[in-house]
Amino acid sequence: SQTIHQWPATLVQPVGSPLSLECTVEGTSNPNLYWYRQAAGRGLQLLFYSVGIGQISSEVPQNLSASRPQDRQFILSSKKLLLSDSGFYLCAWSARGRNEQFFGPGTRLTVL
Amino acid sequence: QKEVEQDPGPLSVPEGAIVSLNCTYSNSAFQYFMWYRQYSRKGPELLMYTYSSGNKEDGRFTAQVDKSSKYISLFIRDSQPSDSATYLCRGLNTGFQKLVFGTGTRLLVSP
Repeated sequence: SQTIHQWPATLVQPVGSPLSLECTVEGTSNPNLYWYRQAAGRGLQLLFYSVGIGQISSEVPQNLSASRPQDRQFILSSKKLLLSDSGFYLCAWSARGRNEQFFGPGTRLTVL
Repeated sequence: QKEVEQDPGPLSVPEGAIVSLNCTYSNSAFQYFMWYRQYSRKGPELLMYTYSSGNKEDGRFTAQVDKSSKYISLFIRDSQPSDSATYLCRGLNTGFQKLVFGTGTRLLVSP
């Protein structure tokens, strides 16, 4: 069966510090991968998606970036965090040709 | 106008009640519809997946799509306290999709 992992589960970072969140998927190959942010009281906002290694599409202009160095690894990064980057970050995957997306457990980021 | 809209709630019901959760959407090209359940501080989990109009039943859950009115519903029978969560609806077209989610409706089922 497929599983998706995210770490860390929680993170508290000062403004201006760098960020690296990691997501890995097991049990599948060539997945589509996604990063979402969910701010308090708001819906899911798609940040990035990837259909393959090194292929990243950005949905929202901001100080975040994403990379996919391996087929089942997706990384969300920032060089300098802003207060507005606080939120719940969710990684998701879907199989090629399928619409269903499956989410990881999320990382709760607080920027102080 | 947002492509998918939901009442954020909270919707409070007693245990055993029938719950109706609803979404409206504006994109007439949507053909697939999904409901996700999200417990507090957890990632969303796929609950129901339907195609085009009609009903789909899975245990205590029934998903209903009315494409003519661009209205999708999730019914929960015999609601339980464990059903307390935020329910997110989603619509999409065919092919690879950027997802369009509703903001979610928070449901509270009291024992």
